[in-house]
Amino acid sequence: DAGITQSPRHKVTETGTPVTLRCHQTENHRYMYWYRQDPGHGLRLIHYSYGVKDTDKGEVSDGYSVSRSKTEDFLLTLESATSSQTSVYFCAISANRANTIYFGEGSWLTVV
Amino acid sequence: KNEVEQSPQNLTAQEGEFITINCSYSVGISALHWLQQHPGGGIVSLFMLSSGKKKHGRLIATINIQEKHSSLHITASHPRDSAVYICAVLYGNNRLAFGKGNQVVVIP
Repeated sequence: DAGITQSPRHKVTETGTPVTLRCHQTENHRYMYWYRQDPGHGLRLIHYSYGVKDTDKGEVSDGYSVSRSKTEDFLLTLESATSSQTSVYFCAISANRANTIYFGEGSWLTVV
Repeated sequence: KNEVEQSPQNLTAQEGEFITINCSYSVGISALHWLQQHPGGGIVSLFMLSSGKKKHGRLIATINIQEKHSSLHITASHPRDSAVYICAVLYGNNRLAFGKGNQVVVIP
């Protein structure tokens, strides 16, 4: 199994509070991604990173920011959580865009 | 944008049956992934293919680039194959587009 860990795995937070999800990898892979998964939708890309301090937006990036200060860590921040951001968040990694992609276990976030 | 359609949305099979699930997409791609997601959420990569066929155990994945179509076959299905199977395609400026998944249930 690829070495990817997400934290926290489960979180309940209140509307308007900031939340940070962490993705940590031990594979030294260049690409890291944050997706959200919601009923009735496929996985949707929030942000991705192609190197330290190199990030780009995905299709559902509004309300989210990311940072990657080290190869192994990719942080996703909800600046002011809203109920529409209640979702399951998956981190993923790949050595390059055309390689096998490996997913973390998921982080269940509930915004009340 | 690449639309990814998976069918059937839901499939129930008896243990031992041969299962086929399908993925169609709308624009040219450079690669296609089949992923498996068990209840509880973990997502595992099964195959990545850009042409032809790949086999791993009881799973076979095929792709027809001209027809923009891929199939995943499960031979001698088992209850542990019960999962959601997700198709994802790599296209354009290295974008991944995901289908909504095929829910497969295998009854003992």
